[in-house]
Amino acid sequence: DAKTTQPTSMDCAEGRAANLPCNHSTISGNEYVYWYRQIHSQGPQYIIHGLKNNETNEMASLIITEDRKSSTLILPHATLRDTAVYYCIVSFQTGANNLFFGTGTRLTVIP
Amino acid sequence: SAVISQKPSRDICQRGTSLTIQCQVDSQVTMMFWYRQQPGQSLTLIATANQGSEATYESGFVIDKFPISRPNLTFSTLTVSNMSPEDSSIYLCSILWGAKNIQYFGAGTRLSVL
Repeated sequence: DAKTTQPTSMDCAEGRAANLPCNHSTISGNEYVYWYRQIHSQGPQYIIHGLKNNETNEMASLIITEDRKSSTLILPHATLRDTAVYYCIVSFQTGANNLFFGTGTRLTVIP
Repeated sequence: SAVISQKPSRDICQRGTSLTIQCQVDSQVTMMFWYRQQPGQSLTLIATANQGSEATYESGFVIDKFPISRPNLTFSTLTVSNMSPEDSSIYLCSILWGAKNIQYFGAGTRLSVL
């Protein structure tokens, strides 16, 4: 599976949009981009995933560049409860899904 | 998604003992996984728990240390054997769920070994 590169940490003001970048320059044509988050010592929570089109759900939006070498997770109105480590993962959407969790981005939402 | 319950949520154990962690799902699932998260680190896959056959272990993890059972499609256990302080970690089970094969995680078991 392709590796990803994320900033170690980011801050965001409460109520503002949080934009979390991820580079995945070695992604292959049929690999998906997944985003998870882990709130302090809880199990990782699935947020969103996509292949090449932008995706939106009730939690976030995922913007994938046309060349698919990078993506951005957008939390439109960050709250204090969004403070967590966010993981960008590239993986095949198959039954033997082995998610490689890198170090992620520690997002701190500031009041 | 399906509801995943892990027991115990946390435990403190003595060196040399063993602990069995349970993972119960409220629906039948084909794929279940066990992960370890050492303090301050990211998640590492231990093994894939296969129903009706032996688990498939990742490099660096062996069956004698981490025996896994998968007696049916809703339940799995992970045993951490002959524990040492280095085994102090959060242990998480996960499942593949839905038409899009999303991986969902339990809340984890926080293990401290003295």
